[in-house]
Amino acid sequence: EVQLVESGGGLVQPGRSLRLSCAASGFTFDDYAMHWVRQAPGKGLEWVSGISWNSDGIGYADSVKGRFTISRDNAKNSLYLQINSLRAEDTALYYCAKYDSSGYYESGAFDIWGQGTMVTVSS
Amino acid sequence: EIVLTQSPGTLSLSPGERATLSCRASQSVSSSYLAWYQQKPGQAPRLLIYGASSRATGIPDRFSGSGSGTDFTLTISRLEPEDFAVYYCQQYGSSQGFTFGPGTKVDIK
Repeated sequence: EVQLVESGGGLVQPGRSLRLSCAASGFTFDDYAMHWVRQAPGKGLEWVSGISWNSDGIGYADSVKGRFTISRDNAKNSLYLQINSLRAEDTALYYCAKYDSSGYYESGAFDIWGQGTMVTVSS
Repeated sequence: EIVLTQSPGTLSLSPGERATLSCRASQSVSSSYLAWYQQKPGQAPRLLIYGASSRATGIPDRFSGSGSGTDFTLTISRLEPEDFAVYYCQQYGSSQGFTFGPGTKVDIK
């Protein structure tokens, strides 16, 4: 069964850091680009970041550039998101999503999604 | 920066009726990068349509996508009870990355 399982979310104070993880199974992880997409409570979907199969291509939304770092470990079938300098507006459910191409910017779509991990930024 | 606008915001229909959802881009979008997703309350989004008109694996044929350039449409030919959900369109642009539309909620009339 193809599966993505996120972890690492929680309640964090503004300005602190957090590292999200996504464990993949049921497919050849290093054949595909991976992404993070977030959804603030009661709001729509917002793309956060993407990474190509071999980590050579990486992209970020303007809203997180300079604060978030995406990475992957193909040997561990895992995707990560390092979040620094957290702000209240980063409060959201963070989804890990498989992309159906090897390059994060190639034509394709987010074909598999995890259930998300919640990040709440509050003092 | 390409902005996606979805209309209507809410669509109230009865089971068995046809649903037509619109996604309009502020600039021309490559069809290869236009996708539609369904999201039900408490669930992750699910890919329905990719490449503007190709159904994803396991998606019933009552769902269809069409369009090109700046105007795209998701059609649900006959609404089933499980189709009442929020639908998002999504595109990729080299300058700003991936963007989603604000969503159309299809609810039961």
